[in-house]
Amino acid sequence: DADVTQTPRNRITKTGKRIMLECSQTKGHDRMYWYRQDPGLGLRLIYYSFDVKDINKGEISDGYSVSRQAQAKFSLSLESAIPNQTALYFCATSLAGTNTGELFFGEGSRLTVL
Amino acid sequence: GQSLEQPSEVTAVEGAIVQINCTYQTSGFYGLSWYQQHDGGAPTFLSYNALDGLEETGRFSSFLSRSDSYGYLLLQELQMKDSASYFCAVPTGGGSQGNLIFGKGTKLSVKP
Repeated sequence: DADVTQTPRNRITKTGKRIMLECSQTKGHDRMYWYRQDPGLGLRLIYYSFDVKDINKGEISDGYSVSRQAQAKFSLSLESAIPNQTALYFCATSLAGTNTGELFFGEGSRLTVL
Repeated sequence: GQSLEQPSEVTAVEGAIVQINCTYQTSGFYGLSWYQQHDGGAPTFLSYNALDGLEETGRFSSFLSRSDSYGYLLLQELQMKDSASYFCAVPTGGGSQGNLIFGKGTKLSVKP
């Protein structure tokens, strides 16, 4: 089983719908992240959380919200999806206190907003 | 702000050596990471440099020059399976090692 699991892996929805992407991890890491990937733009940070009570905005948080339900769970919500939120979304984790620049990514959730 | 620049595409032949460059602008510097991503897959960590010099891990090496705000990833004895996108990344402000800012990626195509 994957250490970082994202659900759903693929989702097609319509403009204006509320969407939640879920991430769970078994690595025991405190830190969790949501990134968005668009062709030619690399990975851009949406939100990150260093522990259950800590939530921080990243580069592109507008139109998104997150919830850290537990150490192992971090969900990303699109309250009212729009077509330019069509992208590949990645959840990632890292271990607090390390100094290696290493993130562990889930397999991604491909979202299409029509 | 912070930014990273890397070439968008590189092509090389099997067995050759290829170098992927990355220049960065940061408000503070805490290290340069490299990731590999195959089409449709998740990014996977390759290497990390916090200090100047070369770090070697098998066929892959990563170099950093902090004075030049520059690093590179060196791939030797290229194999077809090395065809992928490669991203350099730096931490955002505060030195946290997790909330990385990524370059736009370099797509490496390895030809027979």
